[in-house]
Amino acid sequence: AQTVTQSQPEMSVQEAETVTLSCTYDTSESDYYLFWYKQPPSRQMILVIRQEAYKQQNATENRFSVNFQKAAKSFSLKISDSQLGDAAMYFCAYRSAEGDDKIIFGKGTRLHILP
Amino acid sequence: NAGVTQTPKFQVLKTGQSMTLQCAQDMNHNSMYWYRQDPGMGLRLIYYSASEGTTDKGEVPNGYNVSRLNKREFSLRLESAAPSQTSVYFCASLGWYRINYGYTFGSGTRLTVV
Repeated sequence: AQTVTQSQPEMSVQEAETVTLSCTYDTSESDYYLFWYKQPPSRQMILVIRQEAYKQQNATENRFSVNFQKAAKSFSLKISDSQLGDAAMYFCAYRSAEGDDKIIFGKGTRLHILP
Repeated sequence: NAGVTQTPKFQVLKTGQSMTLQCAQDMNHNSMYWYRQDPGMGLRLIYYSASEGTTDKGEVPNGYNVSRLNKREFSLRLESAAPSQTSVYFCASLGWYRINYGYTFGSGTRLTVV
């Protein structure tokens, strides 16, 4: 069975600085999707970024980028120029592209932005 | 606005009571999901439905039942609520929304069982 591990329950970063959230996963599959979701205090789950495993190029969305290391099964999220609105819980997630329709979440990392 | 709508947003139940959480999406997605979120546990899958008329168990299905009424609606029922079911429940669907492919979540239901 696939697993997703976020080893940092909480992190803090100074406003305008860069922070990297870690995520590792375990799978025997070769084709899959990886996601980062943001959950602010409003509780809404917001898709931050998505990576297809078959793509070597790391996904980027404005100030958010990932470092996808397929061999190492690592999928970290980098937030540049951190803003107060980035304060939230961040979840890493995995979904197989080989038939199983389930998504598996890590336990989350709570990110604090220090003014 | 297109998206996933969950009702109710808050609910308090007494142990043994039953209730149904409603979920509807208007994005024509085939797959729908129910998750529960507990502190330190992330989101855990309760049930999911890959298409209208099909449902499958997730990681924590005990104490719950689901119905995929049609393509839009996927409800979650607690037949006899227990304090261990106190949680925040999220419904989600999978598919394209505008230019993004991924999961769209409802705003959650905070359920307290006393």
